[in-house]
Amino acid sequence: DADVTQTPRNRITKTGKRIMLECSQTKGHDRMYWYRQDPGLGLRLIYYSFDVKDINKGEISDGYSVSRQAQAKFSLSLESAIPNQTALYFCATSGTSGGWETQYFGPGTRLLVL
Amino acid sequence: DQQVKQNSPSLSVQEGRISILNCDYTNSMFDYFLWYKKYPAEGPTFLISISSIKDKNEDGRFTVFLNKSAKHLSLHIVPSQPGDSAVYFCAAISTSGTYKYIFGTGTRLKVLA
Repeated sequence: DADVTQTPRNRITKTGKRIMLECSQTKGHDRMYWYRQDPGLGLRLIYYSFDVKDINKGEISDGYSVSRQAQAKFSLSLESAIPNQTALYFCATSGTSGGWETQYFGPGTRLLVL
Repeated sequence: DQQVKQNSPSLSVQEGRISILNCDYTNSMFDYFLWYKKYPAEGPTFLISISSIKDKNEDGRFTVFLNKSAKHLSLHIVPSQPGDSAVYFCAAISTSGTYKYIFGTGTRLKVLA
């Protein structure tokens, strides 16, 4: 079973609609992240959370909101979707094991806003 | 203001030769650096990392070099294999501050058979 899962994997929506992308992890990590990937722009941080009560804005949080429902769950919402939010969205967790820090990514959600 | 930069969007290398991917950073607070590999339709996967107290870390065919004075790191893949063809991202964090991973824009590596 995958350590970080995302649902849905693909989504098509219309401008103005509210949508939620969900992320679950079994790594037991406290730190969770949401990124979007656009061609030529790499991975840009939208929001991150270091525990259930700690939510922080990333580089491009405008138009997005998040909810950390539990240690294992971190959801991303687009309150009123717009076409330039069409992108590939990744959830990730991070933690330290054996002295090494790393992030683990989900498989991504491809979102198309018409 | 891009704190982590990968100035080469693409790189082509012959199978068996060395691939060198470069990354520059501007924030002196970064003290831990990572490389990720990404195939189409998959999430990035961790490849190798290095702490700022070291200048080299090696794992099999992959070696990461860190030059702190130049704020530059590089990933060497030797020998390169067709299966290494992917997009490579470097990332940086400050472990004494926030664990806020900042990524570069990626380099697409193509290994030619």
